[in-house]
Amino acid sequence: DVKVTQSSRYLVKRTGEKVFLECVQDMDHENMFWYRQDPGLGLRLIYFSYDVKMKEKGDIPEGYSVSREKKERFSLILESASTNQTSMYLCASRLSGQYNSPLHFGNGTRLTVT
Amino acid sequence: GESVGLHLPTLSVQEGDNSIINCAYSNSASDYFIWYKQESGKGPQFIIDIRSNMDKRQGQRVTVLLNKTVKHLSLQIAATQPGDSAVYFCAETSGYSTLTFGKGTMLLVSP
Repeated sequence: DVKVTQSSRYLVKRTGEKVFLECVQDMDHENMFWYRQDPGLGLRLIYFSYDVKMKEKGDIPEGYSVSREKKERFSLILESASTNQTSMYLCASRLSGQYNSPLHFGNGTRLTVT
Repeated sequence: GESVGLHLPTLSVQEGDNSIINCAYSNSASDYFIWYKQESGKGPQFIIDIRSNMDKRQGQRVTVLLNKTVKHLSLQIAATQPGDSAVYFCAETSGYSTLTFGKGTMLLVSP
């Protein structure tokens, strides 16, 4: 089974802090994704990466950046956290080259910015 | 942009009943569809998928039906159990695009 591991289940940060959310997958997947999930808004794509060193903006990239230095790890960075970034953050991965393949998700990091 | 939506935000059923969760999609070019289950405190878990060249696919206690004419997708759960209580999402994509998710339906199963 694919395992996608997010390093923290819960985080509490202060406004203005730099925040790192880490995600690691163990199945050698090329594609990795960061979503945020908010009540009434569903899952929204922040950034994704097709492979190492590559990154693409999703639907709501403002206020975020990402890093993909190794294939198994995809980091989401909040340069200066704000209260509207309080959310559940979900990381996912997928094997590249498979035209129709599902995403595999981690269990999420619930971030609260005070 | 085009998006995926769900008809019912909450569905309450009795244990043992069959459940049907519906999803409408608007992108006629979508050719791959997925259902996810998300339990409280966990990430979405893949349940079943279907390609547009099919109109029905069955898994263990679950069946997905695809009606491309009316752009409608449904998930049927047979003999629903309390452990099936969760939020269910549909998602769609076309080609190598990223997935578009519906907002989810909460399924509540009473013993």
